[in-house]
Amino acid sequence: GAGVSQSPRYKVAKRGQDVALRCDPISGHVSLFWYQQALGQGPEFLTYFQNEAQLDKSGLPSDRFFAERPEGSVSTLKIQRTQQEDSAVYLCASSSYRAPVSETQYFGPGTRLLVL
Amino acid sequence: SQQGEEDPQALSIQEGENATMNCSYKTSINNLQWYRQNSGRGLVHLILIRSNEREKHSGRLRVTLDTSKKSSSLLITASRAADTASYFCATTNAGKSTFGDGTTLTVKP
Repeated sequence: GAGVSQSPRYKVAKRGQDVALRCDPISGHVSLFWYQQALGQGPEFLTYFQNEAQLDKSGLPSDRFFAERPEGSVSTLKIQRTQQEDSAVYLCASSSYRAPVSETQYFGPGTRLLVL
Repeated sequence: SQQGEEDPQALSIQEGENATMNCSYKTSINNLQWYRQNSGRGLVHLILIRSNEREKHSGRLRVTLDTSKKSSSLLITASRAADTASYFCATTNAGKSTFGDGTTLTVKP
């Protein structure tokens, strides 16, 4: 079946611009995760959802970052007033298991964000 | 900050050789997972080992876990050029996965 998809794959934004990144998880997957990956580093946890409930948003770096999953399927990560340090790859992952049970996460290809 | 730390940061070997990567972590875990990431792509899950397991195999992969030392190793046997990628360990606790900065493996044909 289809895997996790993300759009856009690439985004160039001017500093101060708002951006919205979309994640389509694997159909039926309950849990959805967002990560930020800087160049040359491993992914860093941002937030996760169980259905539409945002259970942990402790990794969001500032109040400019906001994530939602209103119907428990598609999720959007929004970054307001982008800064250069927001440049990174944003990865989405989904899992069929309910958090906090920790099982395999399936990752999307990521959205590469460049803030100029 | 990253909990998992992979060692070495980079590894270059000839095709057919074995590659061993290590991961250390700091806090208690439910399980530990290894992922592969090819350049410019998302992460691919390789293997999950639970905290009560000591060793696990999957094809050419062998993973060990030593919870007393808070460390894990990934062994890739009979490496192929297609194994060239970055490898990450991730520890998971309360639903939250923490990744190291990875080992970059280059397999020369």
